[in-house]
Parts: sequence; structure tokens; C-alpha cells
Amino acid sequence: GNSVTQMEGPVTLSEEAFLTINCTYTATGYPSLFWYVQYPGEGLQLLLKATKADDKGSNKGFEATYRKETTSFHLEKGSVQVSDSAVYFCALSDLDTGTASKLTFGTGTRLQVTL
Amino acid sequence: NAGVTQTPKFQVLKTGQSMTLQCAQDMNHEYMSWYRQDPGMGLRLIHYSVGAGITDQGEVPNGYNVSRSTTEDFPLRLLSAAPSQTSVYFCASRLTGGASSYEQYFGPGTRLTVT
Repeated sequence: GNSVTQMEGPVTLSEEAFLTINCTYTATGYPSLFWYVQYPGEGLQLLLKATKADDKGSNKGFEATYRKETTSFHLEKGSVQVSDSAVYFCALSDLDTGTASKLTFGTGTRLQVTL
Repeated sequence: NAGVTQTPKFQVLKTGQSMTLQCAQDMNHEYMSWYRQDPGMGLRLIHYSVGAGITDQGEVPNGYNVSRSTTEDFPLRLLSAAPSQTSVYFCASRLTGGASSYEQYFGPGTRLTVT
């Protein structure tokens, strides 16, 4: 079956530091890949996505590249802010027609950014 | 648009009690789903629905029932609560169609404690 593996947290960084959160996946074929973010006390919201190999998703200074050869989708940001403190989830969608395709989530990585 | 709404935000139940978690969306999304979020386990799919009158099981359906009588509403019922059902529950919705890359929109969550 499908699975997503994320680096364990928490990740603690100083403001303006470089961020990498690793994500690798196991799936048949070519799933779509996502990063969702969960701010304290809130539900998840989509941060970025990529739908095919070598696609780069980007949003709010975050980016991730769909690497088919290494089955990875690592999240990066060049300069984090305190407001980026949240839990980040990597996810993939299965290959159903789209009508009933389901998301498989990683366990989440908590990021804490300090001044 | 209110997006995806969930009630209640918090609930404490005694073992054996029943209750219904409410979920509604106003985006005319065909697909709706319920997840539970537990520490170290990410989000796991409980049940999902691809349209009114159609529901199916996800990864962890035992102990939960759902129904979908309208496009807007997708309630989750706990028939006889157990401490193992202590969790945070998220409802989500999205468009359906030919792509598996549609964004899922999440509600703010219901924190349930079973004593």
C-alpha cells in the first residue's frame, strides 16, 4: 500500500534560518504529492502541491520538488519566520480515478521558530 | 463562504455513550471525509463519501458510522464510545472529477475525550 515517511520533529530553528523537512513516499505509479500545514488550534490547509515528476510546488516562500527517482518531496524555505511555527504534513493521493482518490499522510513534523 | 464547519469543538464522553459529530460544507463539494489525528500517527481516514447516498470505509472505520443524506452534511456517529476513540477529528471536503490533485479543505476539528 501507499505510505509517507517524514522526518521526526520537533525541528527548532532561529528566525531567518534555512528549513528542510524531508519526505519520502512509497506508491505505485505517479501519485500527486502535497504539503499541508496545521497552525495551532486549526485544521490543515494546503501549502503546496505537485502532480508529476520534476514539478516544483511553491507558496509563501516554501517550495518542494517532486523527485521520482528518489521518491521524495522535501519541503524547503530559505528564511523561516516565527509565524511559520506549525506542524507540516506530507501527503500523497492514490491513483484512483479522482472521484474516490484518498490522501495518505505522513506523521507530521512540528516546526518551532524562535527569535 | 463558511467553508467546512464542525461542531462541537470539544466533547467529553463516558465509555459507552453515543454521540454525533457534525460536519457541513457550503462549497458544493461531492467528496467528504472524516479523519482522526493521533500523536505520532498523522491523520487516518475513517470514512468517506463521494456524493449524497454513497459512503465507504477508510483505514480505521470500526466503531464509527456515517451517512450522507445531503451534499452539505456528513455526520460521524460514535455508537458506543471507547477510550481508544479519544482523538482529534477532522472533516474535509473537496471537488471530485478526473484529477487526484484537488485540494482538500479541512474543518477546525473536534477534540474528543472518552473517559
